[in-house]
Amino acid sequence: DAEITQSPRHKITETGRQVTLACHQTWNHNNMFWYRQDLGHGLRLIHYSYGVQDTNKGEVSDGYSVSRSNTEDLPLTLESAASSQTSVYFCASSERGGPSPLHFGNGTRLTVT
Amino acid sequence: QKEVEQNSGPLSVPEGAIASLNCTYSDRGSQSFFWYRQYSGKSPELIMFIYSNGDKEDGRFTAQLNKASQYVSLLIRDSQPSDSATYLCADYSGGGADGLTFGKGTHLIIQP
Repeated sequence: DAEITQSPRHKITETGRQVTLACHQTWNHNNMFWYRQDLGHGLRLIHYSYGVQDTNKGEVSDGYSVSRSNTEDLPLTLESAASSQTSVYFCASSERGGPSPLHFGNGTRLTVT
Repeated sequence: QKEVEQNSGPLSVPEGAIASLNCTYSDRGSQSFFWYRQYSGKSPELIMFIYSNGDKEDGRFTAQLNKASQYVSLLIRDSQPSDSATYLCADYSGGGADGLTFGKGTHLIIQP
């Protein structure tokens, strides 16, 4: 069965360190997304991609970057981790952009100390 | 800025009763609406989507949309303890991926 896998599931890092969260999907979807979920804020879009070599900024992109070198993977990098980036991160994919159902990964809980 | 508003709850409903979850949105251009269910510590999963005014039924779930009032709701009939979760409303107003806006979710508790 097709799936979307995130790793690691849990990560603790120190302020200032670079951190990369992995996302791999076997749906063969062109569209991939990164969200963060925080109490009191709900799901907020960080970055998204419509295909290989395409990346776009979302609502809360400052301090994050992504790259898309193939269809399956969209890694999320925190250039210099900050305590404000402690959150649960979800990767998602969809068959097409816009009003298309999102398939979510299981999430990565990141703690920045 | 586009907003999707939900009562955070918790909303407590007896087992077997109808649970009614509500959502309002600010963007009159919103075209379609999604309901996701999220169990504690898990990822969101799609329950239903609705594009047109009126009701859409899928098993025990009914989505209702009123574009004039900018209001969308989810009814869960014959509520079960397994329905206890947080329910996220999202709307899409066009423009690609950044046109999808999520509410903060309503925490639903079904009491046995």
